[in-house]
Amino acid sequence: AQSVTQPDIHITVSEGASLELRCNYSYGATPYLFWYVQSPGQGLQLLLKYFSGDTLVQGIKGFEAEFKRSQSSFNLRKPSVHWSDAAEYFCAVDASGSRLTFGEGTQLTVNP
Amino acid sequence: DSGVTQTPKHLITATGQRVTLRCSPRSGDLSVYWYQQSLDQGLQFLIQYYNGEERAKGNILERFSAQQFPDLHSELNLSSLELGDSALYFCASRPTVAGELFFGEGSRLTVL
Repeated sequence: AQSVTQPDIHITVSEGASLELRCNYSYGATPYLFWYVQSPGQGLQLLLKYFSGDTLVQGIKGFEAEFKRSQSSFNLRKPSVHWSDAAEYFCAVDASGSRLTFGEGTQLTVNP
Repeated sequence: DSGVTQTPKHLITATGQRVTLRCSPRSGDLSVYWYQQSLDQGLQFLIQYYNGEERAKGNILERFSAQQFPDLHSELNLSSLELGDSALYFCASRPTVAGELFFGEGSRLTVL
């Protein structure tokens, strides 16, 4: 069965600092990979996705993610964090075409 | 705005009661998914429908049921409610059975 691990439950960074959120997945082949963001009281918004091709994908709000097959990872990065980026971030995989499986989420706090 | 509409946004009810959550997918999307988000279990896949037919089941309790109607809207029925059913219930849709999911803003259920 597919699974997703987000090792960091909570991350705190200063505004303007760089950010990397980790995501590892377990699946025999290359799944479709996603990062979503959830602000308090809101639904989940897609940041970016990887299906195939270039392993570095660009998303909205200045985010990017890199797929590394050898490490079964799909880490999310942003060069300079803004206070408005404070939210919960979810990595997800779709390996079967029947559902997205989500990680436990990483809560991001941004200090001024 | 994802284009997925969920009603009601908030619902407070008592143990033992029954509620119905409604979802209107994005225009043209045939696949509808239901997820439950709770503090202790994260985002859990409940059930998927495609063009009116059940396609996949996840961790859905027997007290819960769902259906997708000919106009593609979906309803999630929760019965014999327990305190532990208090959660945020998300509906999501996508055009087919692959690709990103578009999420509604959720229905927050509180069981007292």
